[in-house]
Amino acid sequence: KAGVTQTPRYLIKTRGQQVTLSCSPISGHRSVSWYQQTPGQGLQFLFEYFSETQRNKGNFPGRFSGRQFSNSRSEMNVSTLELGDSALYLCASSPGLSTYNEQFFGPGTRLTVL
Amino acid sequence: AQKVTQAQTEISVVEKEDVTLDCVYETRDTTYYLFWYKQPPSGELVFLIRRNSFDEQNEISGRYSWNFQKSTSSFNFTITASQVVDSAVYFCALSVAGGTSYGKLTFGQGTILTVHP
Repeated sequence: KAGVTQTPRYLIKTRGQQVTLSCSPISGHRSVSWYQQTPGQGLQFLFEYFSETQRNKGNFPGRFSGRQFSNSRSEMNVSTLELGDSALYLCASSPGLSTYNEQFFGPGTRLTVL
Repeated sequence: AQKVTQAQTEISVVEKEDVTLDCVYETRDTTYYLFWYKQPPSGELVFLIRRNSFDEQNEISGRYSWNFQKSTSSFNFTITASQVVDSAVYFCALSVAGGTSYGKLTFGQGTILTVHP
């Protein structure tokens, strides 16, 4: 079974721009969660989608948004980029039927904002 | 709210030493799940183990073992006879049951483990 894939792996943007990151979950998984990882704040939960619906959201500003498609692929979008948005963005997939399920992570997208 | 604390920021050992990574969690929920993940330099988080709050049985998997104690809210991870390939950042994480918790893992700050040859 193929693992979680994320594209692109690296991105460089400038302040004020917007960016879209993509995540393809493991086949059969219907839940996709997104996390931001920074040296200062560690791993923080952004949001989770299941069957095209956002079920949970972390404490991030509205500039961070996401969506999920019918094939469970997910995208997250960050508008009006700020220097502090520089981070490793990780997505994770799981069957999604329970919070008991372990999450399987992709390799991440490294976003640098200049 | 949930909280996970990994008090050890960095640990350095020599190959073949045993090493224990500490994890302390906080939650008011009675049903919860604990996880350990490994993050090698490549960046991808690798799932190691899951434990639910009703199962305090310790587990051993090869050189890895986990000690879950509800009385002290701890879920510690021991690597026996460490190897250079064990060098990575290790994260302890917590999720709770319930609809508002879907898809959310609360992570500790991570412990950087360096195993020297």
